[in-house]
Amino acid sequence: GAVVSQHPSWVICKSGTSVKIECRSLDFQATTMFWYRQFPKQSLMLMATSNEGSKATYEQGVEKDKFLINHASLTLSTLTVTSAHPEDSSFYICSGGRDSNQPQHFGDGTRLSIL
Amino acid sequence: RKEVEQDPGPFNVPEGATVAFNCTYSNSASQSFFWYRQDCRKEPKLLMSVYSSGNEDGRFTAQLNRASQYISLLIRDSKLSDSATYLCVVNENQYGGATNKLIFGTGTLLAVQP
Repeated sequence: GAVVSQHPSWVICKSGTSVKIECRSLDFQATTMFWYRQFPKQSLMLMATSNEGSKATYEQGVEKDKFLINHASLTLSTLTVTSAHPEDSSFYICSGGRDSNQPQHFGDGTRLSIL
Repeated sequence: RKEVEQDPGPFNVPEGATVAFNCTYSNSASQSFFWYRQDCRKEPKLLMSVYSSGNEDGRFTAQLNRASQYISLLIRDSKLSDSATYLCVVNENQYGGATNKLIFGTGTLLAVQP
């Protein structure tokens, strides 16, 4: 089955630091990948759609200059949280699938804690 | 109105019980539907897709009613290991068909008691 690898699993850093999260499709090519954020006791909220070779599409209320997405290859999408602050602390998860109409498979997620 | 709505839960049931989850979605153009399971502090994992004719996978039965925009999941003979949050997920087509995106319900927490 489709496998998605996400790295790192945990990040703890000081306020003002920029943090990069990687999402890789291991056994398929993904022209589209998705980035989600989940706060405690809430459901996943789609942040943006990452498109290989073109600009990401951001959901309403998500700052594109704050959350930089790069999808330079068919197997790698990255999310950079720039100048992170404590309110950015959350669980960030990416997903991908062989086809955007097929079930998505999720990375293990990244727990980001900003002190 | 939320795009995908679920029973708020939590559901506390004894082992062996049958439990049903309900979900409604607002976009009649939604194309595909899924149930995901999420364990505490873990990523969601696909439980099953939901087909128009209804489908069954062991103790799990999913049904879809497009006219009512309603999806259900039935778990029979529940096990302790079924304890998790169950997420109703709808795949919406956007941008004129170029891209689909998943819309998640808030999830229903199931706690199966010994």
